[in-house]
Amino acid sequence: GAGVSQSPSNKVTEKGKDVELRCDPISGHTALYWYRQRLGQGLEFLIYFQGNSAPDKSGLPSDRFSAERTGESVSTLTIQRTQQEDSAVYLCASTVRAGGTDTQYFGPGTRLTVL
Amino acid sequence: AQSVTQLGSHVSVSEGALVLLRCNYSSSVPPYLFWYVQYPNQGLQLLLKYTSAATLVKGINGFEAEFKKSETSFHLTKPSAHMSDAAEYFCAVSEGTSYDKVIFGPGTSLSVIP
Repeated sequence: GAGVSQSPSNKVTEKGKDVELRCDPISGHTALYWYRQRLGQGLEFLIYFQGNSAPDKSGLPSDRFSAERTGESVSTLTIQRTQQEDSAVYLCASTVRAGGTDTQYFGPGTRLTVL
Repeated sequence: AQSVTQLGSHVSVSEGALVLLRCNYSSSVPPYLFWYVQYPNQGLQLLLKYTSAATLVKGINGFEAEFKKSETSFHLTKPSAHMSDAAEYFCAVSEGTSYDKVIFGPGTSLSVIP
């Protein structure tokens, strides 16, 4: 597709269950980012990938959160043993460098609700 | 440590009036500054960014922002509001050239009154 896509668009789960969120970046974009947006708040950086490597995992809120990326393409964010405070919109973005500058493109997000 | 504050969680303007959304930042090094817009039911978009070149930055949809170091501000303006400008606006600061260290403000919701 032409843009960053994320699936599912909405996910409702019960506390304690594991969830997987998927991001398909724009083809050819080497950098991929995950953010979390809680209701009424700004975005929190979670993790980013350069290629398939994640140089900085410092934004992950706890060890229940993990992410991987394969083939310099699709990325999955996994949340184990979900808690109610994990409820948020999870946004993915990818960037391309052109003309000496990076431009970031965001996906529509996955709205996660933990009951 | 970096931080961003946005004065006013909600701002209302009349159609055709000046839009002014305030952003103040703190950073221990010369910052990179960004404004993002999130339209209803759409993904986040970059409006404009300041990366130490010209202090007045022009973005998409007629928006611009001015970096004022003495005031640690990066306010977003548009001379004449359109109904289509109604959205959530986020100011962000980074101490790096890439997006991994970007800190976002809490956002300002802009309403445009006909």
